[in-house]
Amino acid sequence: GEDVEQSLFLSVREGDSSVINCTYTDSSSTYLYWYKQEPGAGLQLLTYIFSNMDMKQDQRLTVLLNKKDKHLSLRIADTQTGDSAIYFCAEIIRYDYKLSFGAGTTVTVRA
Amino acid sequence: GAGVSQSPSNKVTEKGKDVELRCDPISGHTALYWYRQRLGQGLEFLIYFQGNSAPDKSGLPSDRFSAERTGESVSTLTIQRTQQEDSAVYLCASSLGGYQGNTEAFFGQGTRLTVV
Repeated sequence: GEDVEQSLFLSVREGDSSVINCTYTDSSSTYLYWYKQEPGAGLQLLTYIFSNMDMKQDQRLTVLLNKKDKHLSLRIADTQTGDSAIYFCAEIIRYDYKLSFGAGTTVTVRA
Repeated sequence: GAGVSQSPSNKVTEKGKDVELRCDPISGHTALYWYRQRLGQGLEFLIYFQGNSAPDKSGLPSDRFSAERTGESVSTLTIQRTQQEDSAVYLCASSLGGYQGNTEAFFGQGTRLTVV
């Protein structure tokens, strides 16, 4: 089973905000990542956050990190049809430095 | 190379045959991962190589699956006696490795395996 947990599906109306949630396992993870996989394509890094930060903003993307609860979220403002994709949360497992991915959240943007 | 390269991009094989999938990571990347992604599903971890350490094989689904990596270069994933449930996209990723701090993983485009 997956160590990193994500909800599997999210449907959002175009123009609304999307919030994708993730729960990770290693409280000593140094970096946490969000990857995006568009239909028929490979995974690409979307954004990441260092563990000493609570929030990181990059244009329409906002990453929030709650270390106490080991909760990571990605907010996409003004969601567009091009944002339809699978979003993967990932953490570094400290003891062997392995990247561990969640199962992915499929985001569908409807008109 | 400029990115992670996987070959072949597509492979159709008959049930019971062996297949070998290849991954060329980015030069200098010590960490290499193999994942499986079934149609419409998420990533399934298979195996992780980090430098000269013993690989983490905890994700290999059966003894029909094996993988090798030569030093810090090419890796091959071998599936013996393929079954229809092996049909999936097999993704390879590489990264600088945890010792370098930020370990962004770069993914190849994958090998789409179809077992008929």
